[in-house]
Amino acid sequence: KNQVEQSPQSLIILEGKNCTLQCNYTVSPFSNLRWYKQDTGRGPVSLTIMTFSENTKSNGRYTATLDADTKQSSLHITASQLSDSASYICVVSASAAGNKLTFGGGTRVLVKP
Amino acid sequence: DAEITQSPRHKITETGRQVTLACHQTWNHNNMFWYRQDLGHGLRLIHYSYGVQDTNKGEVSDGYSVSRSNTEDLPLTLESAASSQTSVYFCASSEEDSYTDTQYFGPGTRLTVL
Repeated sequence: KNQVEQSPQSLIILEGKNCTLQCNYTVSPFSNLRWYKQDTGRGPVSLTIMTFSENTKSNGRYTATLDADTKQSSLHITASQLSDSASYICVVSASAAGNKLTFGGGTRVLVKP
Repeated sequence: DAEITQSPRHKITETGRQVTLACHQTWNHNNMFWYRQDLGHGLRLIHYSYGVQDTNKGEVSDGYSVSRSNTEDLPLTLESAASSQTSVYFCASSEEDSYTDTQYFGPGTRLTVL
């Protein structure tokens, strides 16, 4: 069964600090991996998308990495801001299964001043 | 600006009633999707459509139906609402194949079935 596991489930960081979120997946075959940001009461918004051949991608202060061999990804937030408080969702797409996106349960990040 | 909207944003209904949630997008995307989001679960796919008159079942489609009569709209119907269908529902759209193209999500509808 395709699964996406994220850790930690939640974390609290101080404004200005960095943090790293983890994503492990067992989706096979693999097409691409995406990170979404979901603010409270809103729909998810795409941050990055990486295919098999990409091992890092940045979007402003967000940097995602992908190790397709170990089936792991991370999302690094640099110099966190209060507006980074949100849930971050890792989503993996299987290439041969129709419209099959497997969503992780998300990591809830709270940035405190 | 192009957008995707959902209505209503909040809905309370009773067990056994039929409920329809609306989704409207102005991106002119062919692909549209309905998901539900529950605590302890990631987003789960209910139904999806690749174009007008095309509909497909997702992993949690029991008790739900959709129809696609035009490009802009994909309404989700709960035939006979059950308490297990209390959830937050998200509609999304994408331009092409979802493997490489980003899905754009609506703001969600919070549905409570009493």
